[in-house]
Amino acid sequence: KQEVTQIPAALSVPEGENLVLNCSFTDSAIYNLQWFRQDPGKGLTSLLLIQSSQREQTSGRLNASLDKSSGRSTLYIAASQPGDSATYLCAVRFHRDDKIIFGKGTRLHILP
Amino acid sequence: DGGITQSPKYLFRKEGQNVTLSCEQNLNHDAMYWYRQDPGQGLRLIYYSQIVNDFQKGDIAEGYSVSREKKESFPLTVTSAQKNPTAFYLCASRDRGPNQPQHFGDGTRLSIL
Repeated sequence: KQEVTQIPAALSVPEGENLVLNCSFTDSAIYNLQWFRQDPGKGLTSLLLIQSSQREQTSGRLNASLDKSSGRSTLYIAASQPGDSATYLCAVRFHRDDKIIFGKGTRLHILP
Repeated sequence: DGGITQSPKYLFRKEGQNVTLSCEQNLNHDAMYWYRQDPGQGLRLIYYSQIVNDFQKGDIAEGYSVSREKKESFPLTVTSAQKNPTAFYLCASRDRGPNQPQHFGDGTRLSIL
């Protein structure tokens, strides 16, 4: 069964710290992995998409890495700010059945 | 601006009533998706469509119906057969190709009166 897991479910860190969010998945046969941000009561905003052939993608203070063989991805946020507070979700597109499966997210709170 | 528009933002359903959630995109994307999000749960796929006049059931299609008569529109009807419809509903679209990202609307929150 294809599964996507995000640990921890919630995280609080002081402003200015660098932090890492984790996403793990079963079945290494994937097309890509996409990281999203969701603010309360809102839709999902795409942050980064990493193709299966790539090792990492960067956008501003965000860096996402992918280790397909071990079924892991990390989202690194540098110099965190209160505005980074949100829920971060990862979604994996698997080859089998061409399914996109979401993790349950990590709720991030940056303390001012 | 290109994007996905979901309406209404909030919707209330009476017992035995069908309600329809709207999703419109002007991104010229082929694929469109409907997800349901419950507190503490990940997104669960209800229906998806890869092309006009074709759609497929997702993991939790029972009690829901869709149509795809136009490329830009993918409405979702929550029927009276759906016994627990209270949730946040999200529509997404994606361009053709294996590595195109999904884009999401702002969601519709459905509640029972």
